[in-house]
Amino acid sequence: SQQGEEDPQALSIQEGENATMNCSYKTSINNLQWYRQNSGRGLVHLILIRSNEREKHSGRLRVTLDTSKKSSSLLITASRAADTASYFCATDGGETTSGTYKYIFGTGTRLKVLA
Amino acid sequence: NAGVMQNPRHLVRRRGQEARLRCSPMKGHSHVYWYRQLPEEGLKFMVYLQKENIIDESGMPKERFSAEFPKEGPSILRIQQVVRGDSAAYFCASSPPNVFPGGAGYTFGSGTRLTVV
Repeated sequence: SQQGEEDPQALSIQEGENATMNCSYKTSINNLQWYRQNSGRGLVHLILIRSNEREKHSGRLRVTLDTSKKSSSLLITASRAADTASYFCATDGGETTSGTYKYIFGTGTRLKVLA
Repeated sequence: NAGVMQNPRHLVRRRGQEARLRCSPMKGHSHVYWYRQLPEEGLKFMVYLQKENIIDESGMPKERFSAEFPKEGPSILRIQQVVRGDSAAYFCASSPPNVFPGGAGYTFGSGTRLTVV
């Protein structure tokens, strides 16, 4: 099964509201990332949080990580219609001999922000 | 810096034909990853390559699929004798070497959407 699993699977909110998405994973990690995917497009890297970090901010994004619960959350504040997209968490599935990781993606949360 | 370039953007193949998907990583990136995304699903890891080496192909189907990243030129994902179930979006990502221990985000291409008819 997927290393990372997001919930909810779908979320619909009004513009200006906050959107919270959660990600749970199974094994220990070195870092966790969040990506955004607009419909029919590629993925855009949003933020990376390392296992020794508990919270990270980037603009209207806030990511938390709780390694004891093996979970992370992505909060988008003051959402806009342009935030409508699918959001994926990705966890490293294991270090390779070269030290570069392959990442395991969850199934995503489809966020719809209504104007 | 043009980013990760994938081509073609859309590819239509009849059952039994071959599909070749190309990926040129970002300048300075020597690690390439291929992922497949079925409709309404997340990305599934397929293969991780460095120049002239396949490092991890644990996500590749055992038959009909192959990947390479030659010393010169783009990485190629090749699907022989395509079937309808191969219809999906195939994404390539690249990263620089030596990013341990913190890791780094991938840079993704825009993907190739393969449709098998």
